Amino acid sequence: DIQMTQSPSSLSASVGDRVTISCRASQTIYTYLAWYQQKPGKAPNLLIYAISNLRGGVPSRFSGSGSGADFTLTISNVQPEDFATYYCQQSLHTPWTFGQGTKVEFK
Amino acid sequence: QMQLQESGPGVVKTSQTLSLTCTVSGDSMASDDYYWAWIRQPAGKGLEWIGRIYSSGSINYNPSLKGRAAISMDTSKNQLSLRLDSVTAADTAVYFCARDGLGELRVAYEIWGQGTMVTVSS
Repeated sequence: DIQMTQSPSSLSASVGDRVTISCRASQTIYTYLAWYQQKPGKAPNLLIYAISNLRGGVPSRFSGSGSGADFTLTISNVQPEDFATYYCQQSLHTPWTFGQGTKVEFK
Repeated sequence: QMQLQESGPGVVKTSQTLSLTCTVSGDSMASDDYYWAWIRQPAGKGLEWIGRIYSSGSINYNPSLKGRAAISMDTSKNQLSLRLDSVTAADTAVYFCARDGLGELRVAYEIWGQGTMVTVSS
């Protein structure tokens, strides 16, 4: 299985901050990388697919970058509704696997 | 707008079989060639991919489940199903059904159900 490792596991931020979350795959996964946001008691919500493509309706303060096996999710100008847990996911090979999650908390 | 809704027993006894249904509304499951998946999440933990079924009937499972899972779909009922045999406490989780997208969105789950909690108890 392809292992996905996120860092940090949690972080504290204030409204207006810039936040970066890293995701590393155990092998090259090309462009098969997506990011999700999950709020308590809710299903994950797709934010970004194919490394950097913003899903329709997702605010432009979210962006994705990276290549090969190293990827980053950036939230510029964090808003109150952005406090949540974020997961990366690879879809190069089954079983599709997720990172362990990064919880973005209010400082 | 397609929506997914999971349903199931809530509590299953240890060693028995867990059976869940995901009902699709708003459009037909057969309207296009999608992958339909089951994903679970133990309380306070991350997401685990259980498996997926393609519109053609092709199925992939997570080997970690050691052959205990079975996914099927009934397009006439617009339903996706999951059966998990010989459950233990480790199978206690929120179970989600999800659907991928088309084209570039094939690589991610675009639509999710709200999830259904399953507790395995002796």
